[in-house]
Amino acid sequence: NAGVTQTPKFQVLKTGQSMTLQCAQDMNHNSMYWYRQDPGMGLRLIYYSASEGTTDKGEVPNGYNVSRLNKREFSLRLESAAPSQTSVYFCASSEIGYEQFFGPGTRLTVL
Amino acid sequence: DQQVKQNSPSLSVQEGRISILNCDYTNSMFDYFLWYKKYPAEGPTFLISISSIKDKNEDGRFTVFLNKSAKHLSLHIVPSQPGDSAVYFCAFLGVTGANSKLTFGKGITLSVRP
Repeated sequence: NAGVTQTPKFQVLKTGQSMTLQCAQDMNHNSMYWYRQDPGMGLRLIYYSASEGTTDKGEVPNGYNVSRLNKREFSLRLESAAPSQTSVYFCASSEIGYEQFFGPGTRLTVL
Repeated sequence: DQQVKQNSPSLSVQEGRISILNCDYTNSMFDYFLWYKKYPAEGPTFLISISSIKDKNEDGRFTVFLNKSAKHLSLHIVPSQPGDSAVYFCAFLGVTGANSKLTFGKGITLSVRP
């Protein structure tokens, strides 16, 4: 089992460009999450999906959109990237009420 | 509204000694308390957890303590090893209906000196 996979691993964007971060899990989990990690800030929840077909905002949703494509896949889209979105992005999955399993992360730099 | 506080951002201990990492929280509705470990350039990995009805849980060298009256969570690592050097996040799980969300602390960087 690969667990949680994320693509790409690294990305550099110019301000105003758009991109989609992909996430997939093979653990048959119902819930999936997107976080960003910034120095000294811990992990902050951007969006989550409790089950296929549902999505909800987390702590820092502004500037992002998400799609729960199916039970396995949950993508995060930046429509118009800004330097403040430079961060490391982590996808995670879980069953409700249990620990979350994280992917390896995507390092995004917005110039 | 900061629900989780990890007051000491870093800790350095000698190999073989005890490492004690602390977290304080304000939200008494949390159901489950977890510790995650993160190495550079990797995602966080689950380490150990404790439910709100217990005050201690052990797994090998790792023990988590929960003091609900003080709203305090701690992780003890005994004996500490150089491979334990990483960033440790406390995390708190709240379940509301069909939703379960983790709230993370800011992380503590542990360095274990050989």
